[in-house]
Amino acid sequence: DTAVSQTPKYLVTQMGNDKSIKCEQNLGHDTMYWYKQDSKKFLKIMFSYNNKELIINETVPNRFSPKSPDKAHLNLHINSLELGDSAVYFCASSDIRASGYEQYFGPGTRLTVT
Amino acid sequence: AQKITQTQPGMFVQEKEAVTLDCTYDTSDQSYGLFWYKQPSSGEMIFLIYQGSYDEQNATEGRYSLNFQKARKSANLVISASQLGDSAMYFCAMREGAASYDKVIFGPGTSLSVIP
Repeated sequence: DTAVSQTPKYLVTQMGNDKSIKCEQNLGHDTMYWYKQDSKKFLKIMFSYNNKELIINETVPNRFSPKSPDKAHLNLHINSLELGDSAVYFCASSDIRASGYEQYFGPGTRLTVT
Repeated sequence: AQKITQTQPGMFVQEKEAVTLDCTYDTSDQSYGLFWYKQPSSGEMIFLIYQGSYDEQNATEGRYSLNFQKARKSANLVISASQLGDSAMYFCAMREGAASYDKVIFGPGTSLSVIP
């Protein structure tokens, strides 16, 4: 059973296109996140949702729009894709019942914009 | 300013030896959490160990232990008896605040290579 899943795993698209990445967790966690990992492996938070409410919204272009239809899902829609959006995008979730609220990550979506 | 510093971009260790990966952090919060994650070449991020700012004892999880020195603001990861499968990127991270949804900041990572 996959705890945090993301689709698609790979996404290759052209500049200017709009694309979505889906994330689902079956852990019963109440908080979900989107991270971006760049080519130098630097991992940066983009958004977090707690019980479907947006909590963290980092300095991210408004071409990026998250959507949480329920606690188990957090999708990321990206408009007008640019070359600089090429990265690996990770979804994660955490549980308030865990001692450290440690985050569990999905497998990542490698986005390549050409 | 960098909140999480990992000064060792790359490390090598002989199989079966112990290795320490350094991490220093910067925060003015009294309540915070420190984490280590492993990212193998396959790309997934794996949670290894957690230390809370109020925890008096160093955290341990199997072959992983966290050497927490609060006054020095360091949270080094010690891996005992290294295995070939330990070769990976290791990220130190910090959550500032006590809420589960507080932001977690990651360090730049250390690449560990285990030599047979």
